[in-house]
Amino acid sequence: QQQVKQSPQSLIVQKGGISIINCAYENTAFDYFPWYQQFPGKGPALLIAIRPDVSEKKEGRFTISFNKSAKQFSLHIMDSQPGDSATYFCAASIGAAGNKLTFGGGTRVLVKP
Amino acid sequence: EAQVTQNPRYLITVTGKKLTVTCSQNMNHEYMSWYRQDPGLGLRQIYYSMNVEVTDKGDVPEGYKVSRKEKRNFPLILESPSPNQTSLYFCASSFTGIISYNEQFFGPGTRLTVL
Repeated sequence: QQQVKQSPQSLIVQKGGISIINCAYENTAFDYFPWYQQFPGKGPALLIAIRPDVSEKKEGRFTISFNKSAKQFSLHIMDSQPGDSATYFCAASIGAAGNKLTFGGGTRVLVKP
Repeated sequence: EAQVTQNPRYLITVTGKKLTVTCSQNMNHEYMSWYRQDPGLGLRQIYYSMNVEVTDKGDVPEGYKVSRKEKRNFPLILESPSPNQTSLYFCASSFTGIISYNEQFFGPGTRLTVL
């Protein structure tokens, strides 16, 4: 049983378009929601993260939207670039429970030039 | 350069032949963890360690062992590998605290095939 469900599994977007990846969680004790970006042959790296006391966080072209009542959060990649082609993982954790991350299944994003 | 290193990067072995995947970090992190990555399942935690000599099971620990004798090293041991352990393995490390929202740093991965 996956505690964090991620969709879609893959998406293709044209250069300059918007990529949207959605995640839903079940455990209301989660209080930290990071997104990790993984390029082929590399390990995941932290991209952006949010705590549930805010509904949105933006860093450059990347924005996390958070809906606590719906237990959903999403990653928006604005003005998508070919260099954004990667696999993206949402994750969730409970701060008081230490560093354990529960990951979604991942989304492979391909940005076409 | 701050990094997490893993060796080997690629390994093909046969069922039942014991193997060890090494992991080392140079960031003085207390927390270290092993994950396996399988298509559609994301990353699942195998074992983790909060500090030297402190280890605990993650979500999928069956068939794996770990040890943490030094702060920088966290080897993953497969005593008797089976084909269902064919996967991409990642080691990660981070600082920790009473309440922790610390970034985890991942190694480059080890692709293991068990025939």
